[in-house]
Amino acid sequence: QKEVEQDPGPLSVPEGAIVSLNCTYSNSAFQYFMWYRQYSRKGPELLMYTYSSGNKEDGRFTAQVDKSSKYISLFIRDSQPSDSATYLCAMILGGANNLFFGTGTRLTVIP
Amino acid sequence: GAVVSQHPSWVICKSGTSVKIECRSLDFQATTMFWYRQFPKQSLMLMATSNEGSKATYEQGVEKDKFLINHASLTLSTLTVTSAHPEDSSFYICSAPRGVNQPQHFGDGTRLSIL
Repeated sequence: QKEVEQDPGPLSVPEGAIVSLNCTYSNSAFQYFMWYRQYSRKGPELLMYTYSSGNKEDGRFTAQVDKSSKYISLFIRDSQPSDSATYLCAMILGGANNLFFGTGTRLTVIP
Repeated sequence: GAVVSQHPSWVICKSGTSVKIECRSLDFQATTMFWYRQFPKQSLMLMATSNEGSKATYEQGVEKDKFLINHASLTLSTLTVTSAHPEDSSFYICSAPRGVNQPQHFGDGTRLSIL
């Protein structure tokens, strides 16, 4: 079993839709959680970083962490064609820097 | 703006050539940097951890004599692919965290094509 599980998709939605991306993890020692966006042939770009259960909002993006269920989510409101990319969840064990990645979800927002 | 710079972005070279890729942290010092490899439509695979002032730590299955890492300063790490062959063709990405428990910031990657 992988430590971080993420549905690879692909996921296609119409412009303006709400997108929900999810990851589950097995190691309760993970303490820090991130979402990255990666466009084709580019490096991942940090979108959200959080370390506590609950919601964190930044513009159209909301990151949600449920440590009791070992489940994290990223919500994108009013999705735009420019949101079309691969979204990677990642997490860190406390006191370290090694990232554990999900496989990534490929999202396409159709105009 | 970018906080980690990677150069070159794309390189094509003949089999047997050695290729050096640079990774720089732009506005912070990074005692640790990471090197990843990514195949098409796959997630990032950690190759090695670059440590300033000491030897790099390689992941299992990564040949340290093939992929030489030098962390010469607190803002620069280099990855040299020695005697590259077509099977080394891939997308190589570096990253650096601003500190412990901080998220990693990634460079824009280097597309390496070996003919």
